[in-house]
Amino acid sequence: GAVVSQHPSRVICKSGTSVKIECRSLDFQATTMFWYRQFPKQSLMLMATSNEGSKATYEQGVEKDKFLINHASLTLSTLTVTSAHPEDSSFYICSARDLGATGERRTKNIQYFGAGTRLSVL
Amino acid sequence: LAKTTQPISMDSYEGQEVNITCSHNNIATNDYITWYQQFPSQGPRFIIQGYKTKVTNEVASLFIPADRKSSTLSLPRVSLSDTAVYYCLVGDRGRIYNQGGKLIFGQGTELSVKP
Repeated sequence: GAVVSQHPSRVICKSGTSVKIECRSLDFQATTMFWYRQFPKQSLMLMATSNEGSKATYEQGVEKDKFLINHASLTLSTLTVTSAHPEDSSFYICSARDLGATGERRTKNIQYFGAGTRLSVL
Repeated sequence: LAKTTQPISMDSYEGQEVNITCSHNNIATNDYITWYQQFPSQGPRFIIQGYKTKVTNEVASLFIPADRKSSTLSLPRVSLSDTAVYYCLVGDRGRIYNQGGKLIFGQGTELSVKP
């Protein structure tokens, strides 16, 4: 299946610093990518929809100035956690759809997920 | 998007068939039922999708009754490596050319397979 690469897999930082997470679609173009956050023993929570060449759409309750999303190309979206604090520690996951797929992969709207980034803010 | 209800956890033994049922009483006409699997510290992985009756692939089967208010994911002969969280999602498949089709995850079912 399609591959979505997420980097870094783990990051530890001091409170007040900013952290950038990259999400790349390796073998397909993704005009839309999604960013999720997952706390321990909880489900994935959609944070925002990242659109290539335009502003991201944030879910209710997600601070757009805190979580900056840039989708500058058809294969790369970045999430920057600005001025991170311990409460931002979480597992961040991105996903993308292969709109160029054919057959079942296209019609089923299968989303491919990155491996996730474990953020720990000290 | 229709709300889903799944058991929080299930236990099974290697070699058994596991059936996880998901309730979605408010499913809409255009909604499909999709299941994802997630291992600890990894992103979810697509398992199967269906609209009605039965769908089978190399990994699982999905049974959907005529009223579509529930669905059952069936995993044949599970192994230890099937220990994971399984999510049932219900929604339309999104229009292809816009930002539709976002996934809203429920609580999932934590499946534990024991030797």
